[in-house]
This record gives sequence, structure tokens and C-alpha cells, in this order.
Amino acid sequence: AQSVSQHNHHVILSEAASLELGCNYSYGGTVNLFWYVQYPGQHLQLLLKYFSGDPLVKGIKGFEAEFIKSKFSFNLRKPSVQWSDTAEYFCAVNAPGGSYIPTFGRGTSLIVHP
Amino acid sequence: NAGVTQTPKFRILKIGQSMTLQCTQDMNHNYMYWYRQDPGMGLKLIYYSVGAGITDKGEVPNGYNVSRSTTEDFPLRLELAAPSQTSVYFCASSYPGGDTEAFFGQGTRLTVV
Repeated sequence: AQSVSQHNHHVILSEAASLELGCNYSYGGTVNLFWYVQYPGQHLQLLLKYFSGDPLVKGIKGFEAEFIKSKFSFNLRKPSVQWSDTAEYFCAVNAPGGSYIPTFGRGTSLIVHP
Repeated sequence: NAGVTQTPKFRILKIGQSMTLQCTQDMNHNYMYWYRQDPGMGLKLIYYSVGAGITDKGEVPNGYNVSRSTTEDFPLRLELAAPSQTSVYFCASSYPGGDTEAFFGQGTRLTVV
């Protein structure tokens, strides 16, 4: 079965620091990769996604992610975080072996201090 | 555009009680899902549906039931509530296909005491 691993469960940063959140998946075939964000008290919403083409994808609010097929990774980055980025971040995979049903990682809680 | 609507937002149940979490979407999505979210555990798939009349178990289906009589609605039924079902429940929907994202409801915070 496909699985998604997020290595950082809790991250605390100061404003203007750079961010990188790791995500690895286990499926060996063609995958579609997503990062979702959940702001405090809100539902999950899409941050960015990759399904083909340029492995460096840009999302909302200055976030980007790089798909590295050889490493089965899809790490999320932001060069300079803001207090408003405080949220929980989830990596997810839609893979044909799972009928394209989204499989989520455990999530990373990011706290940004002003 | 309402998107995915879940009711109720909060509920407290006593052990052994039953309830139905409602979910409706107005985007004409074929696929619908129920997830539960527990602290530090991410989202676990309970049940999903790829169309009206078709449902299937996810990773953690025990203690739950679903039905999908229409494209719009996908209620989740809890029978004989247990403390282990204390969680936040999210309903989501999407178009079929791997490159489509899921749209989520606001969640239902359920406490079983």
C-alpha cells in the first residue's frame, strides 16, 4: 500500500526564517503529489500540486515544492516565513494503485513567532 | 458556491449513542471521502465513494457506516459510539483522476464521553 512520510512533526521558526518540510512517498509508479494547509480552526485547503512537467511547482503565498523522482520526495519550501504561515501542513499522494484516493502524511505543525 | 458542507460542527455523545454526520457537496464531484483527524496522526480514511450507490472501506472503517444515495450527499453513521471515536471528522470530495485535488468541509469535532 502507498504511504506518505513527513519527517518533521513540529517546526518552530521566527519570522523571515526559511522553511523546508520533508515529504517522502512509497509508491513506485506515476504519482500525483499535493501539499495541503490547515490554518487554525479551519479546513484543509490546497497549497500546491504536482502531476507532470516542471518538477518545481509554485503555489499560493510564496510556497514552492520540488519533486525529485529518484528520491521519492516532494519537499515544501518557503524562503521567508510569516507569522500568518502558522498552520498544519499535510503532504498527500494520489496514486493509481489506490484508485487515486488521497493518502495523507501525519502532518507538520508549523509555528512562526513574530 | 458552498462547496462541501458538514453538519454539525460540534457534538458530544455518550458512550453507546448513535449519530449521523451529514455531508453534502454542490460541485457535482463523483468522489467523496470521510477522514478522521487525530492529533499527530494525520488524516485516516474511513470510507470513500466513487459515485452514487458505490461505497468502499478505507483504512479505519470499524464502527462506522456510510451510504451514497445521491451524488451530493455522503452521510457517515456512527453506531454505538466509543471513546476511541473522539476525533475531528472531515468530509471531502473531488473529481475522479489522480491530478485533482480534494475539497474539504469545515469538519465536525466529536467527543464521546
